[in-house]
Amino acid sequence: RKEVEQDPGPFNVPEGATVAFNCTYSNSASQSFFWYRQDCRKEPKLLMSVYSSGNEDGRFTAQLNRASQYISLLIRDSKLSDSATYLCAVGQGANDMRFGAGTRLTVKP
Amino acid sequence: GAGVSQSPSNKVTEKGKDVELRCDPISGHTALYWYRQSLGQGLEFLIYFQGNSAPDKSGLPSDRFSAERTGGSVSTLTIQRTQQEDSAVYLCASSLGAVGGRVKDTQYFGPGTRLTVL
Repeated sequence: RKEVEQDPGPFNVPEGATVAFNCTYSNSASQSFFWYRQDCRKEPKLLMSVYSSGNEDGRFTAQLNRASQYISLLIRDSKLSDSATYLCAVGQGANDMRFGAGTRLTVKP
Repeated sequence: GAGVSQSPSNKVTEKGKDVELRCDPISGHTALYWYRQSLGQGLEFLIYFQGNSAPDKSGLPSDRFSAERTGGSVSTLTIQRTQQEDSAVYLCASSLGAVGGRVKDTQYFGPGTRLTVL
């Protein structure tokens, strides 16, 4: 079993749709959680950190469920520009970040 | 510079040759990471430098891989006797550094070096 798992997709949604991704992790001692966005042939860029209480940034909402060991990312009112691969990252310590393989999202007109 | 820079952006080499990949982190960032990303895959951790501490080399896939960080800044990843399976994008990231042993800081990625071994 991989340490961090994501549904690879692709998720194909129309503009304006709400879409949600989950990311499961295996190490219960994990302390830090992040969502990154990666455009085609580009480097990953931090989208948002995930806090225990959940956090929201505009159309994006991230949540953490420690009991079930997953994090989620919700995108509301999706835009064409949201099309990308979304990577989750889970950290157990200072140098122990594990990335998922990513979920590919395509938003269509 | 404003961000993490890497060079070269693309490298094509023949099997068996050695290659050197360079990473220049954001000024003031004490932590530096190397990752490898194969097509359609997630990021595979390779090595981590934090300040003057001994690097964590636990992710290096074989003894053909080595990395150093001179003066706490620029890092070089060296792959000796390259193999076709080494073909991937090699990404470098830096962060302000670990605080209290926790990854609290955002990792900023460079644009990567796309390595192709023929």
